[in-house]
Formats: sequence, structure tokens, C-alpha cells
Amino acid sequence: NAGVTQTPKFRILKIGQSMTLQCTQDMNHNYMYWYRQDPGMGLKLIYYSVGAGITDKGEVPNGYNVSRSTTEDFPLRLELAAPSQTSVYFCASSYSGETEAFFGQGTRLTVV
Amino acid sequence: AQTVTQSQPEMSVQEAETVTLSCTYDTSESDYYLFWYKQPPSRQMILVIRQEAYKQQNATENRFSVNFQKAAKSFSLKISDSQLGDAAMYFCAYKKVNYGGATNKLIFGTGTLLAVQP
Repeated sequence: NAGVTQTPKFRILKIGQSMTLQCTQDMNHNYMYWYRQDPGMGLKLIYYSVGAGITDKGEVPNGYNVSRSTTEDFPLRLELAAPSQTSVYFCASSYSGETEAFFGQGTRLTVV
Repeated sequence: AQTVTQSQPEMSVQEAETVTLSCTYDTSESDYYLFWYKQPPSRQMILVIRQEAYKQQNATENRFSVNFQKAAKSFSLKISDSQLGDAAMYFCAYKKVNYGGATNKLIFGTGTLLAVQP
């Protein structure tokens, strides 16, 4: 089972560049999430989605955008990358708001 | 606002011994979930164990068990017969029960790095 798949695994961006982090899940989960993990910290929620066409902001949404056109995919867009966005990004999904989240393997992003 | 605190940045245990990782949380809610996630060097976040706040019985998954003290807002993880593969960062997380249709985010602690000595 693939579960939650994120691409790329690593990326270096220059300040001001843009990129999209891809996330897809094959578990038919309704809920999907994007988290970032800064060194020595727990994960913080960037955006989440409760179903196709529905997205909402988490704790730290500034500098990011998301879309959810299908149940499977939940891409995260970074516009005008800044050094403060250097982090490890995790996509996750869950069947419902009560069930546990399954995580992808993360994307390590460095902005220089 | 809900918060999760892990006061042990690092812990060490001998192989085959038992170790307990601490977690406390702050909430005014009565219904919620608590989780322990393991993050090995591969970065993958792996669910170790889950506890529903309405259940008095402590959750157990093989060598992993929790001590859930609701009144004290404490949720510690005990790892018995520690193995080299248990070495990882462990995160405690809290999630409010959803009644209204929108999801509630997982709130994570800052993690405890567990080393297992052979």
C-alpha cells in the first residue's frame, strides 16, 4: 500500500522562487493536512481540507496556498519563497476528523 | 488554547530495559484524543498508540503502553523490552473531538529523542 506519497523528498529553492509540493493518498481519506516541522519543534498545521473543494487555514498559513480538486491530491504551493520557509513539510490524511492521521515521508525544503 | 508539553528533550535506555516518556497537556475540553507518534531518522511519522479521553483503560500496543491520568492531564508512554529499532524522536499529540464537521488539528509537543544503548 502506498499510503501518503509526497514529492519531492528534497528541494533547494532560491529566495523569491515558487514551487509546489505534491501530496497524494490512495486510502480514499476525506481529510488531508499540511504540516511543517522546524528544527527541535513539533509539527504545526499550515492548511487542511475536509474534502474535495474545501480547504481552510491552520496555524501558520502565511506564504502558502493549497487546492483540493480531487479526493486524492492536496498540493501545497509556495509563492515567493523566503528563508523562513526552510523546514520539513509533511502531508497527512485521515478518514475522518476523529481517526488517526497517516503521514507521508516529508519534504525537506531549503530556501537560500 | 490547548498546549502539549514534553519536558524531556532526550532520554536514553539500555536495550531490553523499560523507559517512560512524559507528556502533559492543557485543555478545557472533556472529549479529546491523545497520540504518541514515532519519528525515526527516515522522517516518517508513525502512529505508536492512541487514547480516547473518555476511556479510563490505558491503551496498549504490544511493548508500548500509556499511563493516562485525565485529572492530572498527563499522558506518558512506556516502552518495555526496548529494542534498537525504538530509537527515534517521539512526539505526543492532542486532538479535540470534532462535533461540528470541521476537523481539529493535531497539536504536537516538541518531542523527546530516545536513544537505545546496546
